[in-house]
Amino acid sequence: TQLLEQSPQFLSIQEGENLTVYCNSSSVFSSLQWYRQEPGEGPVLLVTVVTGGEVKKLKRLTFQFGDARKDSSLHITAAQPGDTGLYLCAGAHRNNNDMRFGAGTRLTVKP
Amino acid sequence: NAGVMQNPRHLVRRRGQEARLRCSPMKGHSHVYWYRQLPEEGLKFMVYLQKENIIDESGMPKERFSAEFPKEGPSILRIQQVVRGDSAAYFCASSPGTANTGELFFGEGSRLTVL
Repeated sequence: TQLLEQSPQFLSIQEGENLTVYCNSSSVFSSLQWYRQEPGEGPVLLVTVVTGGEVKKLKRLTFQFGDARKDSSLHITAAQPGDTGLYLCAGAHRNNNDMRFGAGTRLTVKP
Repeated sequence: NAGVMQNPRHLVRRRGQEARLRCSPMKGHSHVYWYRQLPEEGLKFMVYLQKENIIDESGMPKERFSAEFPKEGPSILRIQQVVRGDSAAYFCASSPGTANTGELFFGEGSRLTVL
């Protein structure tokens, strides 16, 4: 069973600050996803990265997939209270149908 | 609503009773996943099913838990003789299963409370 490690586990910052969270594994993934989950709701997909070295931007969020497709990072610029939530990474092996999640980074952005 | 539908959203059971959680995947999706989440924790994989087949149940406890995804109807996660430690949020996700880059679409979860 592949292991996805996310860091930091908890992060509390002030509105306007920048932050980066990480997702690391010893396994190579065919694709990797980032999800955001708010309290009382299910995770919602933010992005999928497939190609090693790939960078995707979603407004103030920048996602990067490592060259070796073993790790990924999520950078948020000028964080806002609305960014508060649990950020989960998930990796797929073998036909992209074997999905495992990291434990998540719980982000709190204070106004 | 074409999204993943889970019911019930909240379920309360006494120790020893049975809990049945249902999940209807998105239209056109043939793959269903069940995950369990404890408060302040991430998602723990339980089982992965395709229509009428269990593909991977490595995350399912060996006793009391079972899952099915029949040809017709929703996927069901069944927990027999519930104990307090079964209290958690159970999330279902679906994917199309073919030409897929791995994205999962989640329901809003079923929150089980065992008294």
